[in-house]
Amino acid sequence: QKEVEQDPGPLSVPEGAIVSLNCTYSNSAFQYFMWYRQYSRKGPELLMYTYSSGNKEDGRFTAQVDKSSKYISLFIRDSQPSDSATYLCAMSWGAGGTSYGKLTFGQGTILTVHP
Amino acid sequence: DTAVSQTPKYLVTQMGNDKSIKCEQNLGHDTMYWYKQDSKKFLKIMFSYNNKELIINETVPNRFSPKSPDKAHLNLHINSLELGDSAVYFCASSLGLAGTDTQYFGPGTRLTVL
Repeated sequence: QKEVEQDPGPLSVPEGAIVSLNCTYSNSAFQYFMWYRQYSRKGPELLMYTYSSGNKEDGRFTAQVDKSSKYISLFIRDSQPSDSATYLCAMSWGAGGTSYGKLTFGQGTILTVHP
Repeated sequence: DTAVSQTPKYLVTQMGNDKSIKCEQNLGHDTMYWYKQDSKKFLKIMFSYNNKELIINETVPNRFSPKSPDKAHLNLHINSLELGDSAVYFCASSLGLAGTDTQYFGPGTRLTVL
């Protein structure tokens, strides 16, 4: 079983829809949670990060973490065709300890927003 | 101004050959990484270096050997290429080793082994 599980999709939605992307994880040592966006034939880029359980909002994007359930989500409101990409969740042990910068990624969800 | 660059972008080669991928970052970061992304988009860390010192060495075959001549460069040499090595290889860099330091990825090198 992988440490981080993410439904690969693909997910296809109409423009303007609310998109929900999710990951579950098994390692309770993970403290820092990220969402990366990867456009086709490009490298991943950091979209959002959060430390604690709860919600974090940035424009149309909301990241949600539930540490008790080991579950994280990314919501995209008013989705646009330009949001079409692969979304990867990633986790680390946080700032200290022996994480050595190691990120553990989910498989990525392929999202297409059609006009 | 490319922050993390990789060469070549595409690499097509025969089984058994040896090849190298180069990576350079101009962000002034101390830490650099190599990741492998398979055909199902699964991204997995292979190596990390901090100030030219190897920090993370995941269970990667010995045929893969990273080299960091200085903090701004991290190269990956692969010996005796196999079909299963076909993937996209990403270089990344971050300010330091903290799990909270944002990692910046290069554009990737798409390796195809025939």
